[in-house]
Amino acid sequence: SQTIHQWPATLVQPVGSPLSLECTVEGTSNPNLYWYRQAAGRGLQLLFYSVGIGQISSEVPQNLSASRPQDRQFILSSKKLLLSDSGFYLCAWARGSSYNEQFFGPGTRLTVL
Amino acid sequence: DAKTTQPTSMDCAEGRAANLPCNHSTISGNEYVYWYRQIHSQGPQYIIHGLKNNETNEMASLIITEDRKSSTLILPHATLRDTAVYYCIVMRMNNNAGNMLTFGGGTRLMVKP
Repeated sequence: SQTIHQWPATLVQPVGSPLSLECTVEGTSNPNLYWYRQAAGRGLQLLFYSVGIGQISSEVPQNLSASRPQDRQFILSSKKLLLSDSGFYLCAWARGSSYNEQFFGPGTRLTVL
Repeated sequence: DAKTTQPTSMDCAEGRAANLPCNHSTISGNEYVYWYRQIHSQGPQYIIHGLKNNETNEMASLIITEDRKSSTLILPHATLRDTAVYYCIVMRMNNNAGNMLTFGGGTRLMVKP
């Protein structure tokens, strides 16, 4: 069976500090991978998606970047965090073919102070 | 992208059917309707999806109107554990990245004893 992991579960960081959130998927190969952010009381916003190693597409301009160094690893980064980067970050995967549902990880709650 | 409109919140008595409506009047012919739910502080969970025919699985039923401009998610016997935010999503297809989900505000369903 497939599983998706995210860490850390919670994170408190000062403004201007760097960020690295990691997401890994087990039990599948060549998945599509996605990063979402959910601000408090809001819906999910798609930030990045990846269809393969080294292939990253950004949905919205922002202070964050993503990388996919391995087939089942997806990393979300920032060089300098802003207060507005606070939120609940969710990683998801889907099988590569179309019209397949996405499976979400447990999320990372980031608070920037 | 086709947008969706859902009531902000709904209540349902435990053991009764919960009927969650969604309007998607600008849906295109090849766009699917997906439903996810998110229990507090967890990642979204896939429930069901459909194109034009009604669908049923172990979790819920999806009723799509003939003109496809609206749909209803039915939880036949709601339990307290069904309390969550329910998202109705019209999927924008990206051939390179599978399904691209755009989450709106959703409906906060409160199941009461």
